[in-house]
Amino acid sequence: SAVISQKPSRDICQRGTSLTIQCQVDSQVTMMFWYRQQPGQSLTLIATANQGSEATYESGFVIDKFPISRPNLTFSTLTVSNMSPEDSSIYLCSVEGVNTEAFFGQGTRLTVV
Amino acid sequence: AQSVTQPDIHITVSEGASLELRCNYSYGATPYLFWYVQSPGQGLQLLLKYFSGDTLVQGIKGFEAEFKRSQSSFNLRKPSVHWSDAAEYFCAVTTDSWGKLQFGAGTQVVVTP
Repeated sequence: SAVISQKPSRDICQRGTSLTIQCQVDSQVTMMFWYRQQPGQSLTLIATANQGSEATYESGFVIDKFPISRPNLTFSTLTVSNMSPEDSSIYLCSVEGVNTEAFFGQGTRLTVV
Repeated sequence: AQSVTQPDIHITVSEGASLELRCNYSYGATPYLFWYVQSPGQGLQLLLKYFSGDTLVQGIKGFEAEFKRSQSSFNLRKPSVHWSDAAEYFCAVTTDSWGKLQFGAGTQVVVTP
């Protein structure tokens, strides 16, 4: 199994600012994924991050708002830019395991005030 | 459009009673199917998955799920729930990468003494 560490685990931010969330995996993985879980809601895929290429964003999500970096096979960052209260959510990083399952980080609980 | 439906938002069950959580999907082809559990303040943990073969799948923590192609369903069951089973349960599907998941809305399970 893969162990995923996300930082920060939680944060309270002022509107208009940006927050960068880090995701570190204990093994090399091809694809990493970023999800958003709005309060009381299910998880929605934001984007897929491959090393060495631009992230692929799902409908409704844009690079200017959620820029993603993937500098190597064990690390990725998601930035939530120009935040508003509507961005208050849990952001989760996940990776594909070798045994046909996805592993998830503990998530970053973001509150925008 | 592709969709995953969990009809029950909230279920209350007595400890020791049986539990069944419903999941229906609408996809052109049979997708890969998963059940995840999210305990308060925790990340997501995979309970079980179905790719092909035997339609009754055994998972961790005493859970099982049955894939019914004719009903486009993948319902999760447990014969006797424990207080520790109180959590949110998500059905998830994908047709390609098992990391790129579409989640249902989730079912909140409350276990009473």
